[in-house]
Amino acid sequence: AQSVTQPDIHITVSEGASLELRCNYSYGATPYLFWYVQSPGQGLQLLLKYFSGDTLVQGIKGFEAEFKRSQSSFNLRKPSVHWSDAAEYFCAVAKPGGGADGLTFGKGTHLIIQP
Amino acid sequence: EAGVAQSPRYKIIEKRQSVAFWCNPISGHATLYWYQQILGQGPKLLIQFQNNGVVDDSQLPKDRFSAERLKGVDSTLKIQPAKLEDSAVYLCASSQTQGTEQYFGPGTRLTVT
Repeated sequence: AQSVTQPDIHITVSEGASLELRCNYSYGATPYLFWYVQSPGQGLQLLLKYFSGDTLVQGIKGFEAEFKRSQSSFNLRKPSVHWSDAAEYFCAVAKPGGGADGLTFGKGTHLIIQP
Repeated sequence: EAGVAQSPRYKIIEKRQSVAFWCNPISGHATLYWYQQILGQGPKLLIQFQNNGVVDDSQLPKDRFSAERLKGVDSTLKIQPAKLEDSAVYLCASSQTQGTEQYFGPGTRLTVT
């Protein structure tokens, strides 16, 4: 069965500092990979996705993620965080190619921004 | 473009009662998903529909949960009878078809007392 591990439950970063959120997955092949953000009282918003091709993916709000097949990782990065980035971040995988492609999520990383 | 709509936004019931949630996906989206998000965890897929057919319900507790999408548009998720551990946010998502981006609704927060 596929699984997603987000090893950091909480991360605290100073405003303006760089950010990296870790994500590792377990899957038989290369899945589709996603990062979602969830702010309090808000729905899940897609930040970026990887299906194939270039392993460095650009997303919204200045986020990027790099797929590393050898490490089964898909880490999320941002060069300079803003207070508005404080939220819960979820990494997710899905079976490629359609069919039963419901998302399998990690447990999330809670991002706290220090002034 | 209107997003995924869900109602109610909040529901409080006592254990052993029944409850139903409604989802209206983005217009034209053939695929619809229901997820359960327990506090402090990531969402977990309950069921996936393609039009009005079930694609995956392997994680749906079928002894108490049921879902339908009769006309291939709106969907309802029902719990009967509810247990304390069903307290969670129930998220609906839709996509144009399988293998494309999923768009999430705001969710229904269920509290079972």
